[in-house]
Amino acid sequence: SQQGEEDPQALSIQEGENATMNCSYKTSINNLQWYRQNSGRGLVHLILIRSNEREKHSGRLRVTLDTSKKSSSLLITASRAADTASYFCATSGVNNNDMRFGAGTRLTVKP
Amino acid sequence: ETGVTQSPTHLIKTRGQQVTLRCSSQSGHNTVSWYQQALGQGPQFIFQYYREEENGRGNFPPRFSGLQFPNYSSELNVNALELDDSALYLCASSLSGLAGTGELFFGEGSRLTVL
Repeated sequence: SQQGEEDPQALSIQEGENATMNCSYKTSINNLQWYRQNSGRGLVHLILIRSNEREKHSGRLRVTLDTSKKSSSLLITASRAADTASYFCATSGVNNNDMRFGAGTRLTVKP
Repeated sequence: ETGVTQSPTHLIKTRGQQVTLRCSSQSGHNTVSWYQQALGQGPQFIFQYYREEENGRGNFPPRFSGLQFPNYSSELNVNALELDDSALYLCASSLSGLAGTGELFFGEGSRLTVL
């Protein structure tokens, strides 16, 4: 079964706007990661946030983590058409031996 | 490019047949994880291999089996194929241990169609 649940399932915005995707999970985690996937290809790692961190930035990406609510959000600022992809959150437990993915948010950025 | 290569990229099998998918991990990585991704779904964890031993397993039946070799490359074997096994199979390598970041590096996948 999948650990994370992304929300919304699909998001369509105009170029230049910000995109926010949310992820909720059920059990205790060691870290939470966000990945991106272009139509049916391999996943690409975007950012990792550890359970003792609350916010992390990488370029146009901002990730927050609220372990009390078991939720995370991914913000992409000033979106571009090239950001069109599916975005997945993934969590791993203490042993780091079973990273679980959510169903993903399909982001479409219109030029 | 992650340095993780998978073969074959596409294949078609019929129900009841067996399939072997292969994965070469990124240089320096000692761990390989396999995922099944059905169309429109997120990747589902099949199992992980670390130092040639199965190190974790998802909710998949025993007809899904794997191997990891001394060079850390890996195989996924599926016996008695069923129609629902049609999916994109993703291999991901990583570095476990104190030096590991927890980040997975994915190959481009093997798309299996079962007729």
